[in-house]
Amino acid sequence: NAGVTQTPKFQVLKTGQSMTLQCAQDMNHNSMYWYRQDPGMGLRLIYYSASEGTTDKGEVPNGYNVSRLNKREFSLRLESAAPSQTSVYFCASSEARSVYYGYTFGSGTRLTVV
Amino acid sequence: GDSVTQMEGPVTLSEEAFLTINCTYTATGYPSLFWYVQYPGEGLQLLLKATKADDKGSNKGFEATYRKETTSFHLEKGSVQVSDSAVYFCALSGGSGNTGKLIFGQGTTLQVKP
Repeated sequence: NAGVTQTPKFQVLKTGQSMTLQCAQDMNHNSMYWYRQDPGMGLRLIYYSASEGTTDKGEVPNGYNVSRLNKREFSLRLESAAPSQTSVYFCASSEARSVYYGYTFGSGTRLTVV
Repeated sequence: GDSVTQMEGPVTLSEEAFLTINCTYTATGYPSLFWYVQYPGEGLQLLLKATKADDKGSNKGFEATYRKETTSFHLEKGSVQVSDSAVYFCALSGGSGNTGKLIFGQGTTLQVKP
């Protein structure tokens, strides 16, 4: 019962370095999402993919890029990491009609940029 | 746009106390409402949901009623346990200005002491 799997779980980057956060789901969900979680700010949507082959910006897309590699995988890339990107990142997936079913979340990637 | 506001935390209670976490929302149309729970070091898990006015969602002793007249979805539990210590997020999806994406409140931390 894997659900949504994120890698890595922890990462420390130096300012200016790049990295890709990986996310995969095994529930045959159409939609996938990347959120960041910061203290006192809840979860904010970075990018989402309503279906395979499509991606759209969320609330806080600056400094990030995404790739929907196939139906299962949705990666998040930081091209030049900044300290402001220190956060916990969550990937989630849902049936297209999430209004009824909600999302399934991964366990998160804790990223620190120094 | 659509938004969710939760009471600020942390909320600190003794075991077996009554819990209320307030949540109000702003949305056009007829959103669905959710409560998610995040235990320490983990991702978010769906706790309960309600998809139309006057619906009551319930799970693990927690309840919340969708009140359209007061635009509220307060979370309640009659007798909390130490194991309920977590961060609780209220969320909505499916309002007229929001095509299926979940919008979260800022989260409320609950600490239950023995």
